[in-house]
Amino acid sequence: DAKTTQPNSMESNEEEPVHLPCNHSTISGTDYIHWYRQLPSQGPEYVIHGLTSNVNNRMASLAIAEDRKSSTLILHRATLRDAAVYYCILRDAAGGTSYGKLTFGQGTILTVHP
Amino acid sequence: DAGVTQSPTHLIKTRGQHVTLRCSPISGHKSVSWYQQVLGQGPQFIFQYYEKEERGRGNFPDRFSARQFPNYSSELNVNALLLGDSALYLCASSLGGYRTYQPQHFGDGTRLSIL
Repeated sequence: DAKTTQPNSMESNEEEPVHLPCNHSTISGTDYIHWYRQLPSQGPEYVIHGLTSNVNNRMASLAIAEDRKSSTLILHRATLRDAAVYYCILRDAAGGTSYGKLTFGQGTILTVHP
Repeated sequence: DAGVTQSPTHLIKTRGQHVTLRCSPISGHKSVSWYQQVLGQGPQFIFQYYEKEERGRGNFPDRFSARQFPNYSSELNVNALLLGDSALYLCASSLGGYRTYQPQHFGDGTRLSIL
């Protein structure tokens, strides 16, 4: 599985934008970039995914570099509820025997200050 | 709509015992995956089942097994429990199907403690 690199932790103030970076220099052409987050005492929650173009949904935006070697998850206005561990994960759209597998790294611990 | 449900939420066992964890996927989802999350680490993939067949297996010993039922619910079984099996066990469901990348939807897990 292609690997991702994320900062161990980041901090933000409430109602300010947050940019969470992810490096994936060995990404292949069929790898989708997925983001999940895990709030305390809960299972991971899907946030967003994309392939080449920037993506927006009600939770966040995903900005993908032109060479696809990095991406940034953008929370436009952080709230206290956004304090969580954020995971950047590559998933091969070509499938294969491990198509159902998510490979989680250490993720980024986001702290939001009131 | 109900999300992924797991039972029990907490469980305490002793070394050498056997445990069965249960998962009900979101209605309409045919794929179920199991993950183990040790404190302070990200979840680690154990199994994936789709249409009652094993479709993927992580690097876990044979003490770990699972199955999926005709209604797409699933059980994870762990035999001969070790202290190191203490973890949060997560179940995730998705629509499934080969060569798909649909998001997985997780339950809140079963917290297993081994004494």
